Amino acid sequence: GEDVEQSLFLSVREGDSSVINCTYTDSSSTYLYWYKQEPGAGLQLLTYIFSNMDMKQDQRLTVLLNKKDKHLSLRIADTQTGDSAIYFCAESGYNNNDMRFGAGTRLTVKP
Amino acid sequence: ETGVTQSPTHLIKTRGQQVTLRCSSQSGHNTVSWYQQALGQGPQFIFQYYREEENGRGNFPPRFSGLQFPNYSSELNVNALELDDSALYLCASSLASPRADTQYFGPGTRLTVL
Repeated sequence: GEDVEQSLFLSVREGDSSVINCTYTDSSSTYLYWYKQEPGAGLQLLTYIFSNMDMKQDQRLTVLLNKKDKHLSLRIADTQTGDSAIYFCAESGYNNNDMRFGAGTRLTVKP
Repeated sequence: ETGVTQSPTHLIKTRGQQVTLRCSSQSGHNTVSWYQQALGQGPQFIFQYYREEENGRGNFPPRFSGLQFPNYSSELNVNALELDDSALYLCASSLASPRADTQYFGPGTRLTVL
């Protein structure tokens, strides 16, 4: 089947930038997403990008997409302790009726 | 707060039993999707309902079934529970649109099968 892969752990110091990487295999992906999950909570949509874009910026978040290499990244500028959570990369087709998620990257921010 | 609620929060069942999980979608959202999230993994798509009809299904057996009601609520039913069904079950509601930002997740129901 189609896969979405991401590294499992990332640790950064408060104030540094965090970069979380993701690769996917489905060349027909239309939407690529980043979700945040805090303990005991559901998924919070952080940002998404259409497959015909290569960059999207939203305040402290920057998403880069390399469609040729099927590589997606999320950069969090000025990372804060409140950013500690699990971050999921996901992709779906145009109808958005079957999203595929990675296993999640646990971001730990140290003071 | 996403406006999507799920009940119960936690549930313990034994192998072979049946379970019904409930989701109340955000008002006006006519599409609901259900996901299974095993411990340490990402969510896996189970199925989606649009206007009370199934509209896409992931790689889950028929003992996973669903219902969607006109009042924006929905159910996930699992028959003949197995130990591997232990997971966090998430529902997400959205408008029938490809716009990604309209999909909102509930907090989930934690199911433990003993």
